[in-house]
Amino acid sequence: DAEITQSPRHKITETGRQVTLACHQTWNHNNMFWYRQDLGHGLRLIHYSYGVQDTNKGEVSDGYSVSRSNTEDLPLTLESAASSQTSVYFCASSEGSGAYNEQFFGPGTRLTVL
Amino acid sequence: AQSVTQPDIHITVSEGASLELRCNYSYGATPYLFWYVQSPGQGLQLLLKYFSGDTLVQGIKGFEAEFKRSQSSFNLRKPSVHWSDAAEYFCAVGARGNTPLVFGKGTRLSVIA
Repeated sequence: DAEITQSPRHKITETGRQVTLACHQTWNHNNMFWYRQDLGHGLRLIHYSYGVQDTNKGEVSDGYSVSRSNTEDLPLTLESAASSQTSVYFCASSEGSGAYNEQFFGPGTRLTVL
Repeated sequence: AQSVTQPDIHITVSEGASLELRCNYSYGATPYLFWYVQSPGQGLQLLLKYFSGDTLVQGIKGFEAEFKRSQSSFNLRKPSVHWSDAAEYFCAVGARGNTPLVFGKGTRLSVIA
């Protein structure tokens, strides 16, 4: 069965370190998204991609970067981790173009920055 | 740009009671509307969606939602709640075209015996 996976599921790091969170989907979807979930803020969009070599900034992109070299993967990099980036991170994917397409979510990565 | 508001942060209902979760959106045209559910420790799963046509849409797990243009609302309902419905519920709005969805802040549902 097609799926979307995230790794690691839990990560503890120190302030200032570079961290990369992996997202891999086997749906062959063009669209991929990264969100962070924080109490009181719900889901906020960090970055998204509509295809290989395409990346776009979301609502809360400062301090994060992504690259899309193939259809299956959209890694999220925190260039220099800050305590404010402690959060739960979700990756999602959807097929085709159009906001009406269902997004399929990964299980999430809980990141703690000390 | 579109926006969405879920007025209720936390709702507690008794098992077997009816449920209504509120969602209000702001968008100049007919939006795409979604309800997602997040069980504890899990990712989000689509419950139902509205694009056009019949304003009452049926979803999985016995949920339904009604689009009311005059009230800019898309409230989620279930006639009889089960303990397994305890979760976080997110409303989302999408604009025509390929702009990303905007999610509400969520409503946490607790179910008591």
